[in-house]
Amino acid sequence: AQSVTQLGSHVSVSEGALVLLRCNYSSSVPPYLFWYVQYPNQGLQLLLKYTTGATLVKGINGFEAEFKKSETSFHLTKPSAHMSDAAEYFCAIASASKIIFGSGTRLSIRP
Amino acid sequence: AAGVIQSPRHLIKEKRETATLKCYPIPRHDTVYWYQQGPGQDPQFLISFYEKMQSDKGSIPDRFSAQQFSDYHSELNMSSLELGDSALYFCASSLEGYIYEQYFGPGTRLTVT
Repeated sequence: AQSVTQLGSHVSVSEGALVLLRCNYSSSVPPYLFWYVQYPNQGLQLLLKYTTGATLVKGINGFEAEFKKSETSFHLTKPSAHMSDAAEYFCAIASASKIIFGSGTRLSIRP
Repeated sequence: AAGVIQSPRHLIKEKRETATLKCYPIPRHDTVYWYQQGPGQDPQFLISFYEKMQSDKGSIPDRFSAQQFSDYHSELNMSSLELGDSALYFCASSLEGYIYEQYFGPGTRLTVT
């Protein structure tokens, strides 16, 4: 069965600093991996996804993630944090006919 | 581009009442998925349908039922509501087999009092 584990339920960075949100996956087959963002009282917005091909995936709002099979990781990064990036971020993996979400990481941005 | 439509967006019910949530998939999408996100929780898969047939089932309570209609829209029916059913309910849609192209709706926030 497929699963994802997000390391750190809360991450706080200063505005302009590097954002790094960690996600490790477990899968017996080549995985489909996703990062979603959820702003307070909002729905889920897809940031980026990895299916096949290039392991460095670029998404919206300046985010990117790198699929590393050797480390079973799919960490999300952004070079320079902005106040508007404050939100909940979910790593997710496709499993059969559904998507399984990680427990989420709340990103806070310090002025 | 057309997105997944969910209605209502907000719903307030009392304990033991029933509720019906509706989901209208992206045009030509034939597969619908339902997820439940409790307060401070990650979304949990409930159930999915393809061509009006249930295709997968997750941790959906027996008090809940769902179906997909010939126009591919889906309804989630919840009976004997409990306080713990208060959550954000997401619907997503895709073409069959294209789970990595699953698009989420804005969600219905159900509050049970």
